[in-house]
Amino acid sequence: NSKVIQTPRYLVKGQGQKAKMRCIPEKGHPVVFWYQQNKNNEFKFLINFQNQEVLQQIDMTEKRFSAECPSNSPCSLEIQSSEAGDSALYLCASTPDSAETLYFGSGTRLTVL
Amino acid sequence: TQTVSQSDAHVTVFEGDSVELRCNYSYGGSIYLSWYIQHHGRGLQFLLKYYSGNPVVQGVNGFEAEFSKSDSSFHLRKASVHWSDSAVYFCAVRDQGGRALIFGTGTTVSVSP
Repeated sequence: NSKVIQTPRYLVKGQGQKAKMRCIPEKGHPVVFWYQQNKNNEFKFLINFQNQEVLQQIDMTEKRFSAECPSNSPCSLEIQSSEAGDSALYLCASTPDSAETLYFGSGTRLTVL
Repeated sequence: TQTVSQSDAHVTVFEGDSVELRCNYSYGGSIYLSWYIQHHGRGLQFLLKYYSGNPVVQGVNGFEAEFSKSDSSFHLRKASVHWSDSAVYFCAVRDQGGRALIFGTGTTVSVSP
């Protein structure tokens, strides 16, 4: 069973509000990924980190989305101004190496009203 | 951009039956293919992967998959399904940048008693 912990499990926000979710990666896993899974089971890669450094991110992440993985603190993903289209399951995954198997948390389900 | 196609959105089988879930990918150079399972309301769990060697790979819980370069396929199989195999199954390919996984839209498997 995965030891990646995501909080909160559910998050409800109004349009324009900030939405922040957290992820504690599995111990010993320096690489962290964030994915967005919509209701049609389409996955969108958002960003990944190795330790505190961003490895790769998509354009969407560079605008309203921000993420960080500070040392000795949970990783976080924040949407500065939520939109209805951001409603989705946000999945965090960690891995010992970016080329290896991903270990996923249970996700944060964001609903933007 | 590499793509992954899962042609069956939904498969219904009886307990004890065999099942095959299809996955086709677009070739982008080096190969890294994997399958994940997602039970309702949970994150994804790794089943198996292929990147070289024997084209038939064994995974957890009796699952296996076979890589075919000529067919650009990586189909998942199980000889005898159990009710607990009811879930959504995702095929994934590593992107050409070598870091993020690109997921298919999943196949929902429903196992009837």
